[in-house]
Amino acid sequence: QKEVEQNSGPLSVPEGAIASLNCTYSDRGSQSFFWYRQYSGKSPELIMFIYSNGDKEDGRFTAQLNKASQYVSLLIRDSQPSDSATYLCAVKQYFGNEKLTFGTGTRLTIIP
Amino acid sequence: ETGVTQTPRHLVMGMTNKKSLKCEQHLGHNAMYWYKQSAKKPLELMFVYSLEERVENNSVPSRFSPECPNSSHLFLHLHTLQPEDSALYLCASSQTGTANYGYTFGSGTRLTVV
Repeated sequence: QKEVEQNSGPLSVPEGAIASLNCTYSDRGSQSFFWYRQYSGKSPELIMFIYSNGDKEDGRFTAQLNKASQYVSLLIRDSQPSDSATYLCAVKQYFGNEKLTFGTGTRLTIIP
Repeated sequence: ETGVTQTPRHLVMGMTNKKSLKCEQHLGHNAMYWYKQSAKKPLELMFVYSLEERVENNSVPSRFSPECPNSSHLFLHLHTLQPEDSALYLCASSQTGTANYGYTFGSGTRLTVV
């Protein structure tokens, strides 16, 4: 079983719509959850992190965490063509173990 | 310079060459990492240095040799590589002891082994 699973996509969303990206993880001891955006040929860029159950909003981005279901998601409202990228979910497992485990990423395309 | 800088951006090397990748972080972080990113695979953690001590080595072949002379600099020495080692090599840094702290990545080195 993969530690962090994401649908690889591609996920196509019309401009202006809500893009919904999902991630599941296997380790119940996971403490912190991160979303990175990676443009083609570029390095990953941290856009959101969440550690408490519920929603966390930052501008057009909302991260949602449900530890009971071992599920984390990222919503992008009012999607723009510049949001087209691969989105990586990452999980930090224990206090003291600083390793981030990444999913394979979901490729998102916003259609003008 | 700010953030995490990696050099070179691109590298083409023969299987018998020796080269080094360099990473420097300007964030005052105390941990540094090497990741390998191949097409259609998750980021693969190669090495972790915390407070200049190597704390993790994920069964990486000995043709990859890391070096961390201080908390700001990280090197990856390469020798007798194979074509399957062609990938994007990413350096990252973080501040340990804070659960909600993610990594800051450098721009990466695109390595092609011919």
